[in-house]
Amino acid sequence: QVTLRESGPALVKPTQTLTLTCSFSGFSLKTSPMCMSWVRQPPGKALEWLALIDWDDDTYYNPSLKTRLTISKDTSKNQVVLTVTNMEPVDTGTYFCARTHYLGLGTPKFDYWGQGALVTVSS
Amino acid sequence: SYVLTQPPSLSVAPGKTATITCGGDNIGSKSVHWYQQKPGQAPVLVIYYDRDRPWDRPSGIPERFTGSNSGNTATLSISRVAAGDEADYYCQVWDSSSQVVFGGGTKLTVL
Repeated sequence: QVTLRESGPALVKPTQTLTLTCSFSGFSLKTSPMCMSWVRQPPGKALEWLALIDWDDDTYYNPSLKTRLTISKDTSKNQVVLTVTNMEPVDTGTYFCARTHYLGLGTPKFDYWGQGALVTVSS
Repeated sequence: SYVLTQPPSLSVAPGKTATITCGGDNIGSKSVHWYQQKPGQAPVLVIYYDRDRPWDRPSGIPERFTGSNSGNTATLSISRVAAGDEADYYCQVWDSSSQVVFGGGTKLTVL
């Protein structure tokens, strides 16, 4: 059974760095085609992809946020971590981690999602 | 950057077919996936396109959900629409610049 769970602070202040952890079970990130992604959703708005890390530690980022994002994984702990620097109120939203299938061709697909973590940026 | 355009909303009577479009430049050359998201819940993959398994559905997704893609428009069709299909639907592709792109989402209302 595949499960994913996001954890991290519910409230951060402007300019602070957000660190979110996705803890997962039921699969391994050690072999192709398993990857992990982060997706966020501002209240009442559309999904926005943030980052992807593959089984070989290759990383991909949303170009508009690339300078602020870092994704990493610890396969021994079955965890993936996302950091977002210099948080602003517009970064408020629900942050999802999603298991990702990507073979290097075609389109990565997100077949399992965590429940999401609501992060509010406010002083 | 690559842009996917979806109609913001669509209303369909129960039992009819909902057709949700996703427009993009030459999207017919890309693999497109579709997600359903109900209020307060995480998105769910409902149909996906892989070269080896075109327009496949994850376990538990009914055959009423079908997809197509040609030219500049990809389409998600939901036949025999029921109240339980009311949700936001998002299309998704992988851009040539190595990034995931989502459409803006379509809110499906069952009348």
